[in-house]
Amino acid sequence: GAVVSQHPSRVICKSGTSVKIECRSLDFQATTMFWYRQFPKKSLMLMATSNEGSKATYEQGVEKDKFLINHASLTLSTLTVTSAHPEDSSFYICSAKQGGDEQYFGPGTRLTVT
Amino acid sequence: AQKITQTQPGMFVQEKEAVTLDCTYDTSDPSYGLFWYKQPSSGEMIFLIYQGSYDQQNATEGRYSLNFQKARKSANLVISASQLGDSAMYFCAMRERGTGNQFYFGTGTSLTVIP
Repeated sequence: GAVVSQHPSRVICKSGTSVKIECRSLDFQATTMFWYRQFPKKSLMLMATSNEGSKATYEQGVEKDKFLINHASLTLSTLTVTSAHPEDSSFYICSAKQGGDEQYFGPGTRLTVT
Repeated sequence: AQKITQTQPGMFVQEKEAVTLDCTYDTSDPSYGLFWYKQPSSGEMIFLIYQGSYDQQNATEGRYSLNFQKARKSANLVISASQLGDSAMYFCAMRERGTGNQFYFGTGTSLTVIP
């Protein structure tokens, strides 16, 4: 199946700093990429949908100025958590979609803000 | 209203036995897709099986089968011959044509396979 990578897999940052998470589709061009957040033992919550070359669409309640999403190419989307706080600590998962129904998920990034 | 409902927070099954994980959904869109994903403790989401709303037959993928009851709006996952490696969280998800690309996920079922 299609492969989606995320980098880094784990990151620890200090409160007030920004951290960037990359999502790459390795063997296909992703017209659409999604960013999810997952709290421990909870379901995935869609944060935003990004289409290559256009602005991301954020879900209700997600601060677009805090969670900056850039989808600069058909194989790369980035999520930047700006001025991170401990409550931003979570598991962030991206997924990519080529054109059909299926989404391919990345392995996730565990963010810890101290 | 919840789009996807998984009523079993935790399930246990004996190794080599079959287990059914429940999933019901709510939609008025005639065109939709139903998915099951497995999430082991490592965190990655692994695609298991897909069922389209217009598919006449239940989807099967190896030891996984989807019991699609359209009138009841249920899409239960059946895992046959359970293996220890099947222990994980399992999520049911739905995508509606009308809402574009958005996936709706259930709250998940934690499956533990007992040796």
